[in-house]
Amino acid sequence: GAVVSQHPSRVICKSGTSVKIECRSLDFQATTMFWYRQFPKQSLMLMATSNEGSKATYEQGVEKDKFLINHASLTLSTLTVTSAHPEDSSFYICSARVRNDYGYTFGSGTRLTVV
Amino acid sequence: QKEVEQDPGPLSVPEGAIVSLNCTYSNSAFQYFMWYRQYSRKGPELLMYTYSSGNKEDGRFTAQVDKSSKYISLFIRDSQPSDSATYLCAMGNTGFQKLVFGTGTRLLVSP
Repeated sequence: GAVVSQHPSRVICKSGTSVKIECRSLDFQATTMFWYRQFPKQSLMLMATSNEGSKATYEQGVEKDKFLINHASLTLSTLTVTSAHPEDSSFYICSARVRNDYGYTFGSGTRLTVV
Repeated sequence: QKEVEQDPGPLSVPEGAIVSLNCTYSNSAFQYFMWYRQYSRKGPELLMYTYSSGNKEDGRFTAQVDKSSKYISLFIRDSQPSDSATYLCAMGNTGFQKLVFGTGTRLLVSP
């Protein structure tokens, strides 16, 4: 089945630094990937839709300059949290849509802690 | 009103019980319905995927969609402690790009 690999699984960074999270589709080409944020005991909040070779589409209220998304190939999308602050601490999850398959596959998530 | 409503629980049942998890929705354009299972600090795992109305069965899991009532259900038979997780419903319309998720129901199955 389709596998999405997300790294790192956990990262702790200092306030003001940037953190990059990678999401790779291992056995399929993902023309579209999605980035979500999840707070404890809450559902998934879509942050942005990443399309290969074009600019990401951000949801309302998500700062595009703070959450940089790059989808340079059909198998890799990255989310960079720039100038991180403690309020950016959260669980970030990517998902990918397999072409002609309406099931979405999720990565294992990245727990970001900004201290 | 949220597009998708789901009781957050927790729902506590003894091992072997039949579990019923439900979501209601307001957007009649939704055609695709999914159930995901999420263990703590892990990404969601797709359990069931259905199109339009009807039932779908996979092992101990049965998904039901009633579009006339805008109501979907996931039944788990012979529940096991390993089923303890948060269950999220998700849905999309024809040609959808984005999924709309419920808040998730936390299920606890005690031995």
